[in-house]
Amino acid sequence: GQQVMQIPQYQHVQEGEDFTTYCNSSTTLSNIQWYKQRPGGHPVFLIQLVKSGEVKKQKRLTFQFGEAKKNSSLHITATQTTDVGTYFCAVRKTSYDKVIFGPGTSLSVIP
Amino acid sequence: DAGVTQSPTHLIKTRGQQVTLRCSPKSGHDTVSWYQQALGQGPHFIFQYYEEEERQRGNFPDRFSGHQFPNYSSELNVNALLLGDSALYLCASSYRTGTYEQYFGPGTRLTVT
Repeated sequence: GQQVMQIPQYQHVQEGEDFTTYCNSSTTLSNIQWYKQRPGGHPVFLIQLVKSGEVKKQKRLTFQFGEAKKNSSLHITATQTTDVGTYFCAVRKTSYDKVIFGPGTSLSVIP
Repeated sequence: DAGVTQSPTHLIKTRGQQVTLRCSPKSGHDTVSWYQQALGQGPHFIFQYYEEEERQRGNFPDRFSGHQFPNYSSELNVNALLLGDSALYLCASSYRTGTYEQYFGPGTRLTVT
């Protein structure tokens, strides 16, 4: 079956440092979504990527979809304590396929 | 404009019992998906309801069943509870079943003893 991996599993950074998490799929994807879940909270939608090689930015966050549509990355520039949480990618093989969430990358920011 | 609401917030049940969780989608949304999230893991897709029918299903046994009502709200039922069913159950709503962003509710924390 389809496998979704995220690396790293955990990341501890000093406030102000950059952070990157990667999402890798064993199969070609239709689209990928990124969610953030704060400790004790629920997943909150961040972005959706659909096109090969697509790059989207939200303030300090940069999202990229790989050319082969099998991987994606989320980069945060100059992390802040408000960035703390677990970042999940959620993928679909086809537009109407069920959603599969990755295991997540947990980010800790040391002030 | 209310977001996704779920009830109850917390629930404690005994092995073998049955439980019903409820979800009201965000205004304007017609599709509801249910997820199980164990501690330290990503959400696992249980099933999705649209137009009062189950449209997709994840790898969950038949003990997990659901329903969607004409007002788009939904219920998740779990029979013959096992200790391993202890988890956060998340409801997510979206518009249609395609590639639309999902809005998650706060979840129901189920503990099976």
